[in-house]
Amino acid sequence: QITLKESGPTLVKPTQTLTLTCTFSGFSLSTSGVGVGWIRQPPGKALEWLALIYWDDDKRYSPSLKSRLTITKDTSKNQVVLTMTNMDPVDTATYYCAHTIPRRGAFDIWGQGTMVTVSS
Amino acid sequence: QSALTQPASVSGSPGQSITISCTGTSSDVGGYNYVSWYQQHPGKAPKLMIYDVSNRPSGVSNRFSGSKSGNTASLTISGLQAEDEADYYCSSYTSSSSEVFGTGTKVTVL
Repeated sequence: QITLKESGPTLVKPTQTLTLTCTFSGFSLSTSGVGVGWIRQPPGKALEWLALIYWDDDKRYSPSLKSRLTITKDTSKNQVVLTMTNMDPVDTATYYCAHTIPRRGAFDIWGQGTMVTVSS
Repeated sequence: QSALTQPASVSGSPGQSITISCTGTSSDVGGYNYVSWYQQHPGKAPKLMIYDVSNRPSGVSNRFSGSKSGNTASLTISGLQAEDEADYYCSSYTSSSSEVFGTGTKVTVL
């Protein structure tokens, strides 16, 4: 059974860097085709795709946020980490991590999400 | 890139069929057969309903079907049921080697 869980701060100040960790079980990020991505959703608004990392360390980023995002993986710890720099109140959202269908970008298993508020 | 365009809301009576459209460009929906659809109930994480335009993951009802024509993809829900009331989002692979979600559609069962 595949599960994912997001963790990180619930409150960050403007201009700070956000670091979120996705801890997963039931699969290995060293298995060919596997990927883990990050998606966010501001309150009452639509989903926004952020970033994705594959088993071979191939990394993909949202073009509009690429300069602020870094995604990394720690295969030994079964974790994927997303950092977002220069946080702003508009970045207030629920952040989800999710597992992809092998060799596809579709997310078949999602974490529960973690709410991050940006405020001074 | 810009979000894919979906109607804000679609409604139907129990038993009816409804279709949700998802319009993009030749750089996303029209250029690849990698369109997915997600269902999201209030306060819950999204659930994958369709991938690769028309494929259903195991466990998803065959009342849900997907298709694509040109730059527009569609999700059809047949035999509408009360539990289908939710928000629905499309997504597509893009020429930037990333993905983009749609604006979302609220489905109401009358």
